Amino acid sequence: NAGVTQTPKFRVLKTGQSMTLLCAQDMNHEYMYWYRQDPGMGLRLIHYSVGEGTTAKGEVPDGYNVSRLKKQNFLLGLESAAPSQTSVYFCASTLLGADGGYEQYFGPGTRLTVT
Amino acid sequence: EDQVTQSPEALRLQEGESSSLNCSYTVSGLRGLFWYRQDPGKGPEFLFTLYSAGEEKEKERLKATLTKKESFLHITAPKPEDSATYLCAVHSSGSSASKIIFGSGTRLSIRP
Repeated sequence: NAGVTQTPKFRVLKTGQSMTLLCAQDMNHEYMYWYRQDPGMGLRLIHYSVGEGTTAKGEVPDGYNVSRLKKQNFLLGLESAAPSQTSVYFCASTLLGADGGYEQYFGPGTRLTVT
Repeated sequence: EDQVTQSPEALRLQEGESSSLNCSYTVSGLRGLFWYRQDPGKGPEFLFTLYSAGEEKEKERLKATLTKKESFLHITAPKPEDSATYLCAVHSSGSSASKIIFGSGTRLSIRP
């Protein structure tokens, strides 16, 4: 049981390049999330999904797109990277329990630098 | 507007010196308050969920408590391995699973 995994762990992009971050979970969770974490700003939600084939915008969605073609995978895409997207990206998943608990299980993160 | 504020931003303690971290929140209705631990270079790790005022939960040297306006994470006789950033998050009622707001965290350092 690997939990939540993310690839790649590190990446350096030039402005204007594109890339896709992959998140995979093996816990059969319905909900998946993409966050970015910047110093002093906490975790901010980019996009999320409440099930296979669904996606929705979070707090800071501009410049990002997502897809959830399979329940266990959630992809985050940057079509044209900008220096402002330099950050650490975390994927998380949640099993909506009978008590409505939304405790999230996080991946190890992807450190992205855009030059 | 829903808001979560953690204090202090950083806390340095001597091994064995007990203290508390604070998480103040303003939400339209609380569905759950979460505490996470985050080690450098890693993702947050879930610690506790609290649902209603008066509730308490414990895990080893950590105890989380909840009132109507804030939560405390008490750490008793800490050890160097307790050094980490502790994050608080709230889920407000009337919102979807997307509306989970995180505080900026308290960076805890325990000196041997």
